[in-house]
Amino acid sequence: GAGVSQSPSNKVTEKGKDVELRCDPISGHTALYWYRQSLGQGLEFLIYFQGNSAPDKSGLPSDRFSAERTGGSVSTLTIQRTQQEDSAVYLCASSSTGTGATGELFFGEGSRLTVL
Amino acid sequence: AQSVSQHNHHVILSEAASLELGCNYSYGGTVNLFWYVQYPGQHLQLLLKYFSGDPLVKGIKGFEAEFIKSKFSFNLRKPSVQWSDTAEYFCAVNAKGGGNKLTFGTGTQLKVEL
Repeated sequence: GAGVSQSPSNKVTEKGKDVELRCDPISGHTALYWYRQSLGQGLEFLIYFQGNSAPDKSGLPSDRFSAERTGGSVSTLTIQRTQQEDSAVYLCASSSTGTGATGELFFGEGSRLTVL
Repeated sequence: AQSVSQHNHHVILSEAASLELGCNYSYGGTVNLFWYVQYPGQHLQLLLKYFSGDPLVKGIKGFEAEFIKSKFSFNLRKPSVQWSDTAEYFCAVNAKGGGNKLTFGTGTQLKVEL
């Protein structure tokens, strides 16, 4: 596709349920990021995938959060046993790397998660 | 670890007023600096960036930013704002040689009144 695609755009779930959020990056982009945007908190880095390297998971807030990237393309962010404080907009971004890379991130529209 | 501070959380201006949004970063090495903008109902997009060279960089829609290394600052400016500039503005920093991981500030919500 032309841009970063995320699904679902909105998800309402009950406390304690598991959720999966999907990100389809721009074709050919080797780097993929997940950020969380909460009201008044800005963008909080969660995890970063770069090619075949081990992901940088340093931003994941707890072991209830995990992410994978299959085949170097689509990524899924999974939140287990959701809590109300997990309510936020989850943003995915991708970027190209290597010679001539601009360092610019291209963001998706986000997945708004509401935990009741 | 790098960090970014945006001291203005909410700014309200009238059309044609001048704008300056503060951004300070904390990192001892060489950095790349960015401003991203999020218009209401839209996704984040790049406004401008600084990698090297002229510390005064110009972006889209008449925005510019000046990198002052001695002050660890990268303030965003626009001489005359428009109603359509109403948006949330995020400053971000990336450590050179540290991949493309960006650390963002908490954002500044700008409202431009007619």
